[in-house]
Amino acid sequence: DGGITQSPKYLFRKEGQNVTLSCEQNLNHDAMYWYRQDPGQGLRLIYYSQIVNDFQKGDIAEGYSVSREKKESFPLTVTSAQKNPTAFYLCASRPRLWGLQQKKNYGYTFGSGTRLTVV
Amino acid sequence: AQSVTQLDSQVPVFEEAPVELRCNYSSSVSVYLFWYVQYPNQGLQLLLKYLSGSTLVKGINGFEAEFNKSQTSFHLRKPSVHISDTAEYFCAVYSSASKIIFGSGTRLSIRP
Repeated sequence: DGGITQSPKYLFRKEGQNVTLSCEQNLNHDAMYWYRQDPGQGLRLIYYSQIVNDFQKGDIAEGYSVSREKKESFPLTVTSAQKNPTAFYLCASRPRLWGLQQKKNYGYTFGSGTRLTVV
Repeated sequence: AQSVTQLDSQVPVFEEAPVELRCNYSSSVSVYLFWYVQYPNQGLQLLLKYLSGSTLVKGINGFEAEFNKSQTSFHLRKPSVHISDTAEYFCAVYSSASKIIFGSGTRLSIRP
């Protein structure tokens, strides 16, 4: 079955350490997104990528970095510059928007998330 | 710029009672609206979406929502809830910059 796989499910980071969250999809989707979720704040966009080798900053990109070397993969690195990284991180994807399918493709498919905790 | 406001952070209801989760949006362009559900420690699952056409949209698990352009609302309803509906619900709007903007969420708790 096609879907989005996020790993690991739980991750612990020490102060000053960089960690990388994995997001892999086999849906042949073009666009991929990273969101951060904190209690009572909904989802905030960190980075997104619409095509391979291209990505844009979202609303809270500081302290994070991404790469999009393959269509299937969009890893997120939480750097030591991110002062409050403890949160639930969600990856999402959607198909390319074009032609008659464009409207149907507006919705996202989400992974099951990674919970990052600073220790 | 597009935005969504979910008016209630928490909604407690008794089992088998009806429920309405409120959502208001702000958009200056064509509106594409969504409701997602999130069960504990899981990702988001699409409940329903409004892209065009009929203003009453039916989704999964017996939920429906009504698009009201004059009131800029997209409230989610279910006539009879079950314990299994306990979750957090997010209203969202598609922005012109190829992104979906989410509301802050409403936590639905069902009392037996």
